[in-house]
Amino acid sequence: DAKTTQPPSMDCAEGRAANLPCNHSTISGNEYVYWYRQIHSQGPQYIIHGLKNNETNEMASLIITEDRKSSTLILPHATLRDTAVYYCIVREDNYGQNFVFGPGTRLSVLP
Amino acid sequence: NAGVTQTPKFQVLKTGQSMTLQCAQDMNHEYMSWYRQDPGMGLRLIHYSVGAGITDQGEVPNGYNVSRSTTEDFPLRLLSAAPSQTSVYFCASSWGALNTEAFFGQGTRLTVV
Repeated sequence: DAKTTQPPSMDCAEGRAANLPCNHSTISGNEYVYWYRQIHSQGPQYIIHGLKNNETNEMASLIITEDRKSSTLILPHATLRDTAVYYCIVREDNYGQNFVFGPGTRLSVLP
Repeated sequence: NAGVTQTPKFQVLKTGQSMTLQCAQDMNHEYMSWYRQDPGMGLRLIHYSVGAGITDQGEVPNGYNVSRSTTEDFPLRLLSAAPSQTSVYFCASSWGALNTEAFFGQGTRLTVV
């Protein structure tokens, strides 16, 4: 089972920031938080990941709480093309590619 | 640089037929894996490999075989297709273990009738 909990859906107005929450209360010290998104039925696209510090790249920012039990993905200026399912994932193993995908959050960016 | 390439993109099989889904990456990644995605659900791990000659089972391995004879290729074999295997299959690869992103292929949509 996925080790994360996300709201099933969210709406965001175009041009506004989209803040997607994720709970991962059982995360262990060596586990990273990853965010991916899937547009229509395409392959998942990597967005960002982090361990305990906040991270930012050209796509998004990742804010991880100090106790690491939750995080927020921020899309600073959402566009219609950001409409997708967003997955928050905690790596479950210390090697290999055991990304466990839950149902994610369906983000709808509205004009 | 093609990234992760999956073939075919679409396939229809009859129950009991066998086939191989191909996955190739040109990034010299050690780690490769196969996922399936059923309608309205997240991805579930089928098998993965941490390097040539090494494979392991994921969450839903039954009905599927894999091998990893080269770094570049990680084929997924369905020995006797069943309607329950109708799904979209994704292959992924990455450099290593923690702190690395995985790159996904565009998927193979398989229908078993």
